[in-house]
Amino acid sequence: GAGVSQSPSNKVTEKGKDVELRCDPISGHTALYWYRQSLGQGLEFLIYFQGNSAPDKSGLPSDRFSAERTGGSVSTLTIQRTQQEDSAVYLCASSSWGETTYNSPLHFGNGTRLTVT
Amino acid sequence: GEDVEQSLFLSVREGDSSVINCTYTDSSSTYLYWYKQEPGAGLQLLTYIFSNMDMKQDQRLTVLLNKKDKHLSLRIADTQTGDSAIYFCAETGGSYIPTFGRGTSLIVHP
Repeated sequence: GAGVSQSPSNKVTEKGKDVELRCDPISGHTALYWYRQSLGQGLEFLIYFQGNSAPDKSGLPSDRFSAERTGGSVSTLTIQRTQQEDSAVYLCASSSWGETTYNSPLHFGNGTRLTVT
Repeated sequence: GEDVEQSLFLSVREGDSSVINCTYTDSSSTYLYWYKQEPGAGLQLLTYIFSNMDMKQDQRLTVLLNKKDKHLSLRIADTQTGDSAIYFCAETGGSYIPTFGRGTSLIVHP
């Protein structure tokens, strides 16, 4: 079946512009995660959605970052007034992780490479 | 917060064994994972181990867990050039949010 799909695969934007990154998770996966991968910095957790619960936004680096998940499926990560330090690969992952499937691994998309000029 | 540490680089010769090490701080870790990332791609799960296990073997992969020292290792036998990638260690404790290490770049020389 289809894996996690992210779009666009690459995005170049000018400093100060807003960008939207899209994630289409695996059908039926209730958990959805956004991570940021910067060169040499590993994976930085941004936000976590689980079913209809309030998202865990504890990893968002500033109020310029927001995310939503509509209908428990597709998610959009929005970065307002982009800065050069926002340049990174943004990875989305989904999982069937939940109360009874706590060993379910994450399935990652190929990421969106964001470059802010 | 909880932390996961890995060395950044490992270079081996084709046919040799590779050992990638990871340490973590969360004493409540339940599952520990190894993911592989090839260039331009997302992370792909390689294997995982439950915290009540000491070892898990899957074909060329052997995972060793020392829970007392909070040390996890991944051994790849007969390393091939196709094994060149970044390997991430990750753990989950009391949270549904895995914590990842910074990744170890494995370079395999012919």
